[in-house]
Amino acid sequence: QSVLTQPPSVSGAPGQRVTISCTGSSSNIGARYDVHWYQQLPGTAPKLLIYGNSNRPSGVSDRFSGSKSGTSASLAITGLQAEDEADYYCQSFDSSLSGSVFGGGTKLTVL
Amino acid sequence: QLQLQESGPGLVKPSETLSLTCAVSGGSITNSNYYWGWIRQPPGKGLEWVGSIYYSGSNYYNPSLKSRVTISVDTSKNQFSLKLSSVTAADTAVYYCARQRGLNAFDIWGQGTMVIVSS
Repeated sequence: QSVLTQPPSVSGAPGQRVTISCTGSSSNIGARYDVHWYQQLPGTAPKLLIYGNSNRPSGVSDRFSGSKSGTSASLAITGLQAEDEADYYCQSFDSSLSGSVFGGGTKLTVL
Repeated sequence: QLQLQESGPGLVKPSETLSLTCAVSGGSITNSNYYWGWIRQPPGKGLEWVGSIYYSGSNYYNPSLKSRVTISVDTSKNQFSLKLSSVTAADTAVYYCARQRGLNAFDIWGQGTMVIVSS
């Protein structure tokens, strides 16, 4: 099991809004370490989607947004499109492990 | 723009050592703002951080792999390498190298290389 907990799957219809949660603990997200999000399309390398909890790299659509509160973080996707169908991972730093940790990943299905 | 490219054997025998290299192009590995990391992904599973290294050689590893992992950097060749010893079938995975902003996000990734552990 992963240090960061994500739902295995979420789904939504085109145009809808979905959120993906990432739950940690007092040694990672709760310790004020930043949360980052990645999108992995089938057969490709992960792509940085959100860094520093809520910042989008250049070129990432503003339909993607991130937030963090307490020991959890969330990724929101608005105006769902078929091309958003992918796996999404959260990542942070854990002081107990002295290293980076990933969530188990969430598969987004666009209905 | 910065690019990373993994290389190494695609097949390793059980109990042997897996060796991969990540070549960095379009930028210097000695940029003080970044670490350089390895992340792996077993078939059909999620991402697992393996370890990261700074250009000075300072490194940190996943505790679950620490006894078997060595990550090194060669600034003259602008590349860094991963060695994983005593491999088993559980080490079969796609191995990615990536640039890491400090100890934070991995912002640029290589395309990944599949390594199969089998006799």
